[in-house]
Order: sequence, then structure tokens, then C-alpha cells
Amino acid sequence: EEQLVQSGAEVKKPGESLKISCQGSGYRSPHYWIGWVRQKPGKGLEWMGTIYLADSDTEYSPSFQGHVTISADKYINTAYLQWSSLQASDTAIYYCASGLTAFDIWAQGTMVTVS
Amino acid sequence: QLVLTQSPSASASLGASVRITCTLSSEHNTYAIAWHQQQPEKGPRFLMNINSDGSHNKGDGIPDRFSGSTSGAERYLTISSLQSEDEADYYCQTWVTGTGIRVFGGGTKLTVL
Repeated sequence: EEQLVQSGAEVKKPGESLKISCQGSGYRSPHYWIGWVRQKPGKGLEWMGTIYLADSDTEYSPSFQGHVTISADKYINTAYLQWSSLQASDTAIYYCASGLTAFDIWAQGTMVTVS
Repeated sequence: QLVLTQSPSASASLGASVRITCTLSSEHNTYAIAWHQQQPEKGPRFLMNINSDGSHNKGDGIPDRFSGSTSGAERYLTISSLQSEDEADYYCQTWVTGTGIRVFGGGTKLTVL
């Protein structure tokens, strides 16, 4: 059974860096996309970017390009979302999800608080 | 530009049916979409894919009460025999085939009366 598990909640100060992770298990090969989705309190889902695990081909939403970095390590089936300098406005729940087209597997989410 | 449009809210009575609509930008009216459900204080859950011909594939464990259909650029999620646990936010999502580009609609908040 395919499954994604994210790293735990984080509390950071403005200006600090952060890298959160999303590890897949049960996948037969690294030929799938993992995407990152932001949800601010009381708001909708926002696609941030997607990475193809097999070759790290990455697409970013224009809204997030330059503000975050998405990377992956196919050997441990893990994708990462990274900030070099957090802002209070980055406070949100971040979900990773996978699928060749639709996101049909979702992880539990990582709460990031910047204060 | 690839855009998905949803009404912000919908409501229906317990035991009734409701149809939630997701509209693709006109030049993308042949695209498939997916529906996701997010119950209060929970993460999203994949419900189904819907193709432009109306065929759909549901996720594991999704009840038969949930179905999908299509008309032109509109993609529908119909929930019949509404239950209290169906009260949730529903998001449609689409993609550009062969790329990592994904798009979400703004979400529809369903209230079960």
C-alpha cells in the first residue's frame, strides 16, 4: 500500500531556515510526482510545486517560484520543501501528495508556525 | 491560463442529494479533473478522477454515494443520500499531462442541513 509520511510540526522565528520532508513507502518505483500544497488557516489549498522523484524534474507555481526550494532523494523515496528565510506569512499547514496526474495519495500534513 | 472555478458554498438536507460544480477555463474544457474532500480539522482525501467523457475512477473506500459526471467544461461531483459526515470542503484539481503542473479550484464548502 502506497503511503506518504511527513516530518513533524515546526515552530520557527522570522528569518530562520527550514526544510521539511515527505517520505513515500510501498511505491514500486520512483516514477511518480510528489507535490507540495499550502493551506493557510481558514483558506483553501494552494499548489506550490511538484517534483518527479525519478529525475528530480521540478515545476513551481509562479506564486511560489523563488520563495521555496523543492528537492528529492529518490534512493530514500523522499521529497523536501525548503525555505531559506521564513516569514510570518509562511505560517500554514503544508501537505505533500503524490500521483502521476491527480494527487491520489495525501500525507498527514506538517504545521509550520513562524512567530 | 488554466483555471478551475468553484462556487464558495453549497447546502442540502440530510438524506438529499447535492451536485457540486467545477468549471474549467474554456480553452481547457477537455481536461480531466480530480475531486478531493477535506473534512473539518482533517487533511484532504482523494475522491475520484473525472475525464472529459464523464468516466470516473474512485479512490479506495469511497462510497457509491459519490459519483462524477461532465458537461462541456463543467465537472460535477454528486453526493446522494447525504450524511452528516459529508459536511466538508470539496476541492477540484487538474493537471497538465506529462508535466508537474497542478491547479486547484478555490473549494466549495458543503453544509448538510
